[in-house]
Amino acid sequence: DAKTTQPNSMESNEEEPVHLPCNHSTISGTDYIHWYRQLPSQGPEYVIHGLTSNVNNRMASLAIAEDRKSSTLILHRATLRDAAVYYCILLSNDYKLSFGAGTTVTVRA
Amino acid sequence: DTGVSQNPRHKITKRGQNVTFRCDPISEHNRLYWYRQTLGQGPEFLTYFQNEAQLEKSRLLSDRFSAERPKGSFSTLEIQRTEQGDSAMYLCASSLWEANSPLHFGNGTRLTVT
Repeated sequence: DAKTTQPNSMESNEEEPVHLPCNHSTISGTDYIHWYRQLPSQGPEYVIHGLTSNVNNRMASLAIAEDRKSSTLILHRATLRDAAVYYCILLSNDYKLSFGAGTTVTVRA
Repeated sequence: DTGVSQNPRHKITKRGQNVTFRCDPISEHNRLYWYRQTLGQGPEFLTYFQNEAQLEKSRLLSDRFSAERPKGSFSTLEIQRTEQGDSAMYLCASSLWEANSPLHFGNGTRLTVT
């Protein structure tokens, strides 16, 4: 499986944007970039995914580098409810998500 | 609530006992996944089904573990002769069959083996 590298933790202030980086230098041409998050005591929750172009949805934006070796998840205005572990995952054709340790996001009021 | 449902939420058992967990996926989802998560780690893949067929099993799934999905609806995960190392959160997820369909996770069953 292609690997991703994320910072262990990040802090943000409430109502400020949060930029979560992810490096995936060994990504293959068919790998999609998926982001999930896990709030305390809950199962993971899908956030967004993309292949080459930047993507936006109601939860976040995903900016993908032109060479696809890195990507950034953007939370436009962090709230206390966004405090969670965020996972960047490459998904190939086997449909199986392989989670790493993720980035723990703390939001200060 | 039409999300993925897992029962029980918590299970405490003594070493050597058998336990069974149940997962009810979102009704139109063909694929069903089981993951295990220990404290401070990301979820680890155990197995997945497409309809009633079990298509892949992780090497983490020892002979003491068995999963079924009769009729392609709900699924059960059984652990026989539990060990303290089996203590973890067991997560179930479901998705549509199309590639890159998001996985929808339940809130898990937390197993504690004493």
